[in-house]
Amino acid sequence: QLQLQESGPRLVKPSETLSLTCSVSGGSISSNDYYWGWFRQPPGNGLEWIGSINFSGDTFYNPSVKTAVTISVDRSQNEFSLMLNSVTAADTAAYYCARVTRVTVFSRARYYYYIDVWGKGTTVTVSS
Amino acid sequence: DIQMTQSPSSLSASVGDRVTITCRASQDISNYLAWYQQKPGKGPRLLIYAASILQSWVPPRFSGSGSGSDFTLTISNLQPEDIATYYCQKYNRDPIFTFGPGTKVEIK
Repeated sequence: QLQLQESGPRLVKPSETLSLTCSVSGGSISSNDYYWGWFRQPPGNGLEWIGSINFSGDTFYNPSVKTAVTISVDRSQNEFSLMLNSVTAADTAAYYCARVTRVTVFSRARYYYYIDVWGKGTTVTVSS
Repeated sequence: DIQMTQSPSSLSASVGDRVTITCRASQDISNYLAWYQQKPGKGPRLLIYAASILQSWVPPRFSGSGSGSDFTLTISNLQPEDIATYYCQKYNRDPIFTFGPGTKVEIK
């Protein structure tokens, strides 16, 4: 059974870099059938997609955070990571990693994606 | 862009009640729809995919239906452990996602 586990500092100072890693167990990160995503949820607010990456390193980023975010993948460690630069209090949130599954629709010659496995999340507070 | 609307934004029902949440797409999305459950203080979990297929952990009191543009999540016998926010989300052509506010289900 696939499991994802977020890890990283729980407290980050303003203007510094938030770094999180998602360790994938029970399955390989190296598959064309998946992307791997980062999401966050500020206290009392809704879910926000941050970005997605596949095992080849192809990325998609939310335009709202694109200039500050880097998502990377380490196939040898079966993990992927999030770096968010120059954080402010607004970046305080629960951060989740997730697997994004690709569905092939042959009749339409298209792929579609949905999130099928989530990590339990980790809360990161930005404060001095 | 295809827009998704979900209603109601919140509901309060009694234990044992039948609860229905509706999700509507602005265009035909076939059955490319997922439902997620997020309990208070917890992360989201995939509840239903392909509009009607329950994940293995989901109790049979949950069901999903619909195709095209109108979809429904039904809880047939609401239990206290079903208190959560429920989100519908269409599958996307790229691995990019936006989330609506969902439906917050509370016990009366």
